[in-house]
Amino acid sequence: AQKVTQAQTEISVVEKEDVTLDCVYETRDTTYYLFWYKQPPSGELVFLIRRNSFDEQNEISGRYSWNFQKSTSSFNFTITASQVVDSAVYFCALSEAYSGGSNYKLTFGKGTLLTVNP
Amino acid sequence: KAGVTQTPRYLIKTRGQQVTLSCSPISGHRSVSWYQQTPGQGLQFLFEYFSETQRNKGNFPGRFSGRQFSNSRSEMNVSTLELGDSALYLCASSLPELSGTEAFFGQGTRLTVV
Repeated sequence: AQKVTQAQTEISVVEKEDVTLDCVYETRDTTYYLFWYKQPPSGELVFLIRRNSFDEQNEISGRYSWNFQKSTSSFNFTITASQVVDSAVYFCALSEAYSGGSNYKLTFGKGTLLTVNP
Repeated sequence: KAGVTQTPRYLIKTRGQQVTLSCSPISGHRSVSWYQQTPGQGLQFLFEYFSETQRNKGNFPGRFSGRQFSNSRSEMNVSTLELGDSALYLCASSLPELSGTEAFFGQGTRLTVV
């Protein structure tokens, strides 16, 4: 069975600090996809990043970066120079690659509430 | 391009009643999934529909059901509501033909059962 663990329930930082959100996953599949979503108070889950199990390259997008390590089954997310607008709940999710390629079933971690204080 | 639209945004129902929630996916997206979000259990997969067929179902009782129409719009129904059904219900749409594509979520329907 798939499982995603986000050990950090809440993180509070001061603006401009760097912050890393941890994500550890479990799956028996060799082909799978990992995601990060952001959930602001409005409730909508906003897609941030997707990574497949064959691509271990780290990715940087502006102030966001992701570190994927299959050896430790981790997919960590770092926000550099955090801003108040980054305050939200962040979810890590895992999906297996079913035949046909659809990743329609996501297993989510419990989420990390990030609060960035001015 | 319009996003995923869920209606209504808020609902208050009484125990024992039934409720129907609606989801309109992004144009061209034929896969629609439903998730329940509660403080205790987090985000849990309910079911997924593609071409009017349920392809996968999560671990929820039979009181939870859904359907998809030919225009890909989907509805989910909860019968005999219980207090524990109070939750944010999120709908997501995606392009199932593309391997590993991301799911796009609506703003959800917040259901309160009293």
